[in-house]
Amino acid sequence: DTAVSQTPKYLVTQMGNDKSIKCEQNLGHDTMYWYKQDSKKFLKIMFSYNNKELIINETVPNRFSPKSPDKAHLNLHINSLELGDSAVYFCASSLNTGPPDGYTFGSGTRLTVV
Amino acid sequence: GEDVEQSLFLSVREGDSSVINCTYTDSSSTYLYWYKQEPGAGLQLLTYIFSNMDMKQDQRLTVLLNKKDKHLSLRIADTQTGDSAIYFCAAMDSSYKLIFGSGTRLLVRP
Repeated sequence: DTAVSQTPKYLVTQMGNDKSIKCEQNLGHDTMYWYKQDSKKFLKIMFSYNNKELIINETVPNRFSPKSPDKAHLNLHINSLELGDSAVYFCASSLNTGPPDGYTFGSGTRLTVV
Repeated sequence: GEDVEQSLFLSVREGDSSVINCTYTDSSSTYLYWYKQEPGAGLQLLTYIFSNMDMKQDQRLTVLLNKKDKHLSLRIADTQTGDSAIYFCAAMDSSYKLIFGSGTRLLVRP
């Protein structure tokens, strides 16, 4: 019954590996997002998709590639993982791209690169 | 672009009121939000305010907006230990991106 669900919840991997994080929402929302939260709790938007179309692509290394097979799913694939990629990654969704709807967040994926 | 700032830490005694402050830079931001993050959890939307409003109240929560000074505050009345969390202020910028502050860690002492 979780509105926005992410898997896995924890991910520990070695430098250089490739990994994916999956996100699904069952709210019927049109827009989905990926945010990165660093160790100081600072949240920064990475990507946004509206109905499978990329609409926000912040300055993120091209090792990060989002994929949206349909409007209920937004996955994040990361190639050649680096130590600095360690963070908590949050998926979120909203009904529209504009206000006032707030975003509904998933519970996060804690990625640790060793 | 939009920049949102908050103080990092607030400690209050249980039963007192808590006031968390936030400033933003983009005067075109039309909606401002407060989110709560408990340990190990995602962000929970608490409330939001439209920029043509000065105040919004929702049970124990009161949001005050000073648009001239670009200052937003969240007041929690009768603060409880369960209110201990990180509170994020966020502004929706002109390209509809939600820009977050650094979060204020609220500690409620018994």
